[in-house]
Parts: sequence; structure tokens; C-alpha cells
Amino acid sequence: GAVVSQHPSWVICKSGTSVKIECRSLDFQATTMFWYRQFPKQSLMLMATSNEGSKATYEQGVEKDKFLINHASLTLSTLTVTSAHPEDSSFYICSARDESGSGNHIQYFGAGTRLSVL
Amino acid sequence: QKEVEQNSGPLSVPEGAIASLNCTYSDRGSQSFFWYRQYSGKSPELIMFIYSNGDKEDGRFTAQLNKASQYVSLLIRDSQPSDSATYLCAVRSTGNQFYFGTGTSLTVIP
Repeated sequence: GAVVSQHPSWVICKSGTSVKIECRSLDFQATTMFWYRQFPKQSLMLMATSNEGSKATYEQGVEKDKFLINHASLTLSTLTVTSAHPEDSSFYICSARDESGSGNHIQYFGAGTRLSVL
Repeated sequence: QKEVEQNSGPLSVPEGAIASLNCTYSDRGSQSFFWYRQYSGKSPELIMFIYSNGDKEDGRFTAQLNKASQYVSLLIRDSQPSDSATYLCAVRSTGNQFYFGTGTSLTVIP
């Protein structure tokens, strides 16, 4: 299957700092990428839909000024957690939608980033 | 009503048995259906997808789709302890939106 690379896999930071997470589609172009957050033993929660060349669409309750999304190219979306606090500690997962070929628009996931804010 | 519903489980089956995971969806015009597996602490990985009524087999996995009943299932034959994970059902709706169920936790007992 297609590969989505997410980096870093684990980050520990001090409260108040900003953290950038990168998501790259390696073998297909993705006009649409998605950012999810998952707390332990809970289901995936969609945070925002990232659209190449335009503003991201945020889900209700997600602060767009805190979670900055940039989708500057067809293979790269970034999520920046600004002024991170301990309650932002979570598992962040990106996915990219492959819109080529058969049209099934499969979503492939990155490996996730575990963020720990001290 | 949620777009995609799954029984959260946990579902326990003995090793070698068939595990049956079920999913219903609300948008009758949904086009594509996906099953992902997520191990604890890891991100979801695609197992298979189906878009036509009937069965689709891939190794020990069989996806079944019944659009009239708005129902999709995943059967795992000869279940192994390594199949223990959370299985997520996902549906691509008529608006090209992608909806995930909350997942069913499966435990295969050796």
C-alpha cells in the first residue's frame, strides 16, 4: 500500500513551547490530508482536514489558533501545536487520501507522533 | 445517529476460531468501505476495502457488504493471537466525507 511518513514519532517538550509535526505522502499526491488525535484507550478524533493551497477545515471545538495547519504542497502537511500545555499531550496521527487510480480514495495513515508536554 | 456504528466490544474468540466484526452506516449512498486494524499505541493500518455488494476475500480476511441493509462486516478465519487489536470500520459517504467507527476491540485467546 501507499506510504505516509510522519515525523517525529515521539517528542517531549516543555510547557509553552511549540511543536511541529510533518506528514508526507511518499508515493502519491494528496490534495487532502487529515489530522487526528487519540487519547489512551479512546477512539480517533478528527481535528482538521488539511487542503492543499487553502485553509484547513477544523472540527468543532478544535482551536485553529492553537493547532496551526499548513498544506503547502501536494505531498506535505504540517501541524504545529503552539504554546503546548500538558493537556495537549496525546497521540497525533495524520492521514493522506490517495485520490488517484480507481477512485476509492483510500486514506493511509502515518505512524503517529506521541507528544508529551512536561 | 452516528454515521458509522460499531460494537465497541471487547470481542473475545479462541485461537483458530472465526472472528466476526460488524459495522452499520447511515448514509445509504455511501460508496466505499474500509477496514483498518490498530494495535495498541500504533496508528491504523488498512486491511482491506470493498465497494461492491457481496464478499471480498484476502487471505484469512473476508469483507462482506450489504448495501440494502447498510451493513459491512469483516470475518477473520483461523484467528491468531497476533490478530488481537482494535478494528476500525470506515465509510466514504456521498459527500466524499470519510467517517470512522469507534472501533471494536478483538482479543484472540491462545
